[in-house]
Amino acid sequence: DGGITQSPKYLFRKEGQNVTLSCEQNLNHDAMYWYRQDPGQGLRLIYYSQIVNDFQKGDIAEGYSVSREKKESFPLTVTSAQKNPTAFYLCASSIARVGNEKLFFGSGTQLSVL
Amino acid sequence: GDSVTQMEGPVTLSEEAFLTINCTYTATGYPSLFWYVQYPGEGLQLLLKATKADDKGSNKGFEATYRKETTSFHLEKGSVQVSDSAVYFCALRGGSNYKLTFGKGTLLTVNP
Repeated sequence: DGGITQSPKYLFRKEGQNVTLSCEQNLNHDAMYWYRQDPGQGLRLIYYSQIVNDFQKGDIAEGYSVSREKKESFPLTVTSAQKNPTAFYLCASSIARVGNEKLFFGSGTQLSVL
Repeated sequence: GDSVTQMEGPVTLSEEAFLTINCTYTATGYPSLFWYVQYPGEGLQLLLKATKADDKGSNKGFEATYRKETTSFHLEKGSVQVSDSAVYFCALRGGSNYKLTFGKGTLLTVNP
């Protein structure tokens, strides 16, 4: 079945540690996105990528990094510079880069700090 | 910039009650409007969308009409079920904007 796979489902980070969240899609979508979800705050965009080897900062990119070396993969690294990383992280993809195309979401990764 | 304001929750209803979740937006140009639903522990799924003024999106008994004059996209359902319990997000996407801007979400709980 086509879709977006995020892993792991739960992740724990120690102080000063970098952690990487995986996002893979087999939908042949050009655009991919990372959102952070905090209770009562909705979803906020961290980074997005319109095409392979290209990505742009979203609204809350500080303390995060991404890469887009392959069309199907868009991993997110939460660095030690992110002081409040505990949140639910959602990866998404879409066919077109603009307009009315819907986003397909993965099932999310819950990141917590030890 | 673009923004979405939706009704704060939580909303608690009895089965077969009528549901309205208000959503208003601010955007330049002519955005597309969406309602997404999130079940516990899962990602978001598209519930319905509308791409131009006066369009009505509908799915699974839910409806929302794109009202440009009031910049609104309220979600309605005539008779809710326990299985409708979830968080509902209103969102918009500008014509030349890559990102989807979300409201804060409204938690709906339907009791039998």
